[in-house]
Amino acid sequence: KAGVTQTPRYLIKTRGQQVTLSCSPISGHRSVSWYQQTPGQGLQFLFEYFSETQRNKGNFPGRFSGRQFSNSRSEMNVSTLELGDSALYLCASSYQGEHTEAFFGQGTRLTVV
Amino acid sequence: QQQVKQSPQSLIVQKGGISIINCAYENTAFDYFPWYQQFPGKGPALLIAIRPDVSEKKEGRFTISFNKSAKQFSLHIMDSQPGDSATYFCAAKRSTLTFGKGTMLLVSP
Repeated sequence: KAGVTQTPRYLIKTRGQQVTLSCSPISGHRSVSWYQQTPGQGLQFLFEYFSETQRNKGNFPGRFSGRQFSNSRSEMNVSTLELGDSALYLCASSYQGEHTEAFFGQGTRLTVV
Repeated sequence: QQQVKQSPQSLIVQKGGISIINCAYENTAFDYFPWYQQFPGKGPALLIAIRPDVSEKKEGRFTISFNKSAKQFSLHIMDSQPGDSATYFCAAKRSTLTFGKGTMLLVSP
């Protein structure tokens, strides 16, 4: 079974630009969660989508948004990029979400210059 | 407010030794406690997990000990190997995962 796939692996963007990251969950998994990982703050929850609906949301500004498609693939978008948005963005998929194991992708390394 | 506190930040253990990482949580609504292992350049990988109705769970060399009254749980790695050198994260979940800050483990040969 293929794991969680995130694309692209690396991105360099300029302040003020916007970026879209993609996540393909494990086949059959309906829940996709996004996390931001930085050396200072660690792993922080962004949002979770289940069956195309946002089910949970973390404490991030509205510049961070996401969506999920009918095939469970998910995208997250960050608008008006700031230097502090530089991080590893991780996607995790699980079968049902709340009470099942979450499996992470390798992440997208975003650098904002 | 840090809901899951993890210690130590870093740990050096000799090959064959026992590595112990501790976590404490505040929210009694948490009902699932996983540990993740992360190697550089990779995403976190689920190592072992426990629910609060169990005090201990063992999988191979990895054991979780859980103390519900103290709101603490720990990971023990027995017979630690150089290949275990990685960053370990504890987490707690109600509807979403809340992670500890991580422990960098180095197992010296």
